Amino acid sequence: AIQMTQSPSSLSASVGDRVTITCRASQYIRIDLGWYQQKPGKAPKLLIYAASTLQSGVPSRFSGSGSGTDFTLTISSLQPEDCATYYCLQDYNEPLTFGGGTKVEIK
Amino acid sequence: QLQLQESGPGLVKPSETLSLTCSVSGDSTSNNNHYWGWIRQPPGKGLEWIGNIHYSGSTHYNPSLKSRVTIAEDTSKNQVSLKLSSVTAGDTAVYYCARRNQYCSGGACYSLVDVWGKGTTVTVSS
Repeated sequence: AIQMTQSPSSLSASVGDRVTITCRASQYIRIDLGWYQQKPGKAPKLLIYAASTLQSGVPSRFSGSGSGTDFTLTISSLQPEDCATYYCLQDYNEPLTFGGGTKVEIK
Repeated sequence: QLQLQESGPGLVKPSETLSLTCSVSGDSTSNNNHYWGWIRQPPGKGLEWIGNIHYSGSTHYNPSLKSRVTIAEDTSKNQVSLKLSSVTAGDTAVYYCARRNQYCSGGACYSLVDVWGKGTTVTVSS
């Protein structure tokens, strides 16, 4: 199975900061990667698909980039409601595999 | 509006079979562009893909669970089911069903897991 290495595992930033989360795949996955936001007690919510396409209704401060094996999720200006855990998911090969998650907190 | 709703026993005894149902509204489980999947999340941990099914009968399972998992689709009821046999405490988790939507763009085809159910908590304990 493709391994997804996500970093950092947690971060603390101030409101308005630019935040970057990365995912590295153990092998080529084209652009078949999505980013999800999960708040406590809730199901994950799709933010980005195909590495860089913003899901409808998601604020434009979220963006994604990358292809091949290296991918990035950026929050351009962190807001209080962005406190959550973020996961990447590769959808290139079965079994689909998730990154380990990044917990984002506000300083 | 598409909605997925998981249901089933919240408590299962060790060595027994966990059985869950995902009821789909606002879409058809026989839609050729969709797979229907199951994902789980142990308490305080990350997400694990269990497997998925296409209405054609094609299934894919996580190799780590393959010997114990069966996913089935009932077009007449617009439902997808999950069975996990010989459960242990390690199978305690929130179980989610989700839609895996397939599309083609620029000459290539992709998929994305775009809609999730709210999840159901299953505890394995005697």
